[in-house]
Amino acid sequence: DTAVSQTPKYLVTQMGNDKSIKCEQNLGHDTMYWYKQDSKKFLKIMFSYNNKELIINETVPNRFSPKSPDKAHLNLHINSLELGDSAVYFCASSRRLAGETDTQYFGPGTRLTVL
Amino acid sequence: AQSVTQLGSHVSVSEGALVLLRCNYSSSVPPYLFWYVQYPNQGLQLLLKYTSAATLVKGINGFEAEFKKSETSFHLTKPSAHMSDAAEYFCAVSAAGGTSYGKLTFGQGTILTVHP
Repeated sequence: DTAVSQTPKYLVTQMGNDKSIKCEQNLGHDTMYWYKQDSKKFLKIMFSYNNKELIINETVPNRFSPKSPDKAHLNLHINSLELGDSAVYFCASSRRLAGETDTQYFGPGTRLTVL
Repeated sequence: AQSVTQLGSHVSVSEGALVLLRCNYSSSVPPYLFWYVQYPNQGLQLLLKYTSAATLVKGINGFEAEFKKSETSFHLTKPSAHMSDAAEYFCAVSAAGGTSYGKLTFGQGTILTVHP
């Protein structure tokens, strides 16, 4: 009965590679998000999608490309990985755009290590 | 623009003692405020949220927080700490409208340690 799931949980790769992280929610939510948590535990939003439409796109390198095949999935593809991309990436979802009373539910995170 | 400052990156208390985790926010529009908890190697779990109703908000696991507009604060408290409360706590603010609509801005987190 996992609400927000992410795969893989751990990802270790070499600089320059391209990788994807997948996220799925079974809560029937309309909005999904990607956050990055750096080594100092600072959490920052990267993207949000509402019904497969990009709503928030923070200042993120264009090597990062989110893809939402349907409203239950939001995948994150990263091209040409760099050392600074090493972080924990969290997916989240909410019923509507947060800022109303809707809570964002977070996945367990994907720890990406770039060597 | 929104921002959150959590005073104290580490807080240490004894089991049974009062827990107080401080959060101050800045927002150009009426804010919604949240406290999340992160246990080791896990995702974030919502503890409680303020949505412009009652200023004293009760959450899960005995935690509560009080919204004080005059102090721009939303401090998290628990009367009696349990060992299981040891975790990292994040305060977050979301704009109730405007161009930042839908965006959660987090503080830098406070690690709570509970001693026997």
